Amino acid sequence: GENVEQHPSTLSVQEGDSAVIKCTYSDSASNYFPWYKQELGKGPQLIIDIRSNVGEKKDQRIAVTLNKTAKHFSLHITETQPEDSAVYFCAAKRSKLIFGTGTRLQVFP
Amino acid sequence: GAGVSQSPRYKVAKRGQDVALRCDPISGHVSLFWYQQALGQGPEFLTYFQNEAQLDKSGLPSDRFFAERPEGSVSTLKIQRTQQEDSAVYLCASSFVRPTRDSNSPLHFGNGTRLTVT
Repeated sequence: GENVEQHPSTLSVQEGDSAVIKCTYSDSASNYFPWYKQELGKGPQLIIDIRSNVGEKKDQRIAVTLNKTAKHFSLHITETQPEDSAVYFCAAKRSKLIFGTGTRLQVFP
Repeated sequence: GAGVSQSPRYKVAKRGQDVALRCDPISGHVSLFWYQQALGQGPEFLTYFQNEAQLDKSGLPSDRFFAERPEGSVSTLKIQRTQQEDSAVYLCASSFVRPTRDSNSPLHFGNGTRLTVT
């Protein structure tokens, strides 16, 4: 079955710096790759997604890149702010959505 | 607008008790999913409904877990004879269209039910 690995598990940055989270997946048939942000006590919230026929997608300070050949995708957050602090999950889907183990991002003012 | 609503938010059960967790999806959403999230881990798939039909229950960890969605809207996840290893957050998600290989509709998650088995 699909396996999704996510790195790093924790990431601390200074406000205004960039943050990058990387994921790899095992099933080459996966075709949809969303990223979720989860705040304490809440459910995951979709922040951006990318489909397998697209290499890069950007939404304001957030961008995602996909390398199908290498089977990895990354989340880039620029100009980080303290409110970006949360746990971020990548996921990959063929028939069902499989999540990575999460990255705890801390943005220090 | 109303999102996915789950109740109760917290549930403490003694080992061996039965529990029932409720999910109210977004109105009109065809697909409904249950996920289990252990502390410090990502959500893990349990089961999937398309309307009232349970099309995939491959993630249910044992026959003590049972889910239903009799009228294609509200869903209940039931856990019989709870064990300590069942302690987790149970997340419900819904999406507008049925997921196929060529169709990907975003999942909208509720805030979950935190189950603690003592």
